[in-house]
Amino acid sequence: QSVLTQPPSVSGAPGQRVTISCTGGSSNIGAGYDVHWYQQLPGTAPKLLIYGNRNRPSGVPDRFSGSKSGTSASLAITGLQADDEADYYCQSYDSSLSGHVVFGGGTKLTVL
Amino acid sequence: QVHLVQSGAEVKKPGSSVKVSCKASGGTFSSYGINWVRQAPGQGLEWMGGFIPIFGTADYAHKLQGRVTITADESTRTAYMELSSLTSEDTAVYYCARLQGGDGYNYPAAYWGQGTLVTVSS
Repeated sequence: QSVLTQPPSVSGAPGQRVTISCTGGSSNIGAGYDVHWYQQLPGTAPKLLIYGNRNRPSGVPDRFSGSKSGTSASLAITGLQADDEADYYCQSYDSSLSGHVVFGGGTKLTVL
Repeated sequence: QVHLVQSGAEVKKPGSSVKVSCKASGGTFSSYGINWVRQAPGQGLEWMGGFIPIFGTADYAHKLQGRVTITADESTRTAYMELSSLTSEDTAVYYCARLQGGDGYNYPAAYWGQGTLVTVSS
């Protein structure tokens, strides 16, 4: 059971918009710690997609955006493309005894 | 450009230990923290622990404390993760990742190694 909760799967047709939620608690997201998002294509290492809740690294299209409110964060993907099909993970810092770095369980995005 | 290269795949017997290396090129090795993250087959990402060079300290996930040791050698720009008392549940791909900050773990990891598959089997 992950400290951060994500839906196991989401799907959308090409061109559509999808969102992936990431729900935490008072010792991580709710405590004000940043949320970061990673994209993992099959058989590859994760790639940083969004950092500091809403910032995109150089080279990441502006179709990807992040937001955070209270104890939750969201990743939105607009103009869905076939090569967006991947697993997406949120990550934050946690001040409890469970560990310093916590990940969501991951969300499989399927492009229909 | 920062590049992290990990050691090759390992097959280990239950009860044994494994040590995975992660050699960095580019950037300033001692200025950034390192995370170790693992991913069991078909599962999500799990933080194992990390190392903060400026403090010279390692921190570990609660569930792995006592079995995992993370070190770093600045002279060779290499980080290491050693896991002992292996069981089949430790079969996973192990990743090192460089944080974007150097004074703690509240940073994203922009650079990742290619991953090292560790298989634990009798």
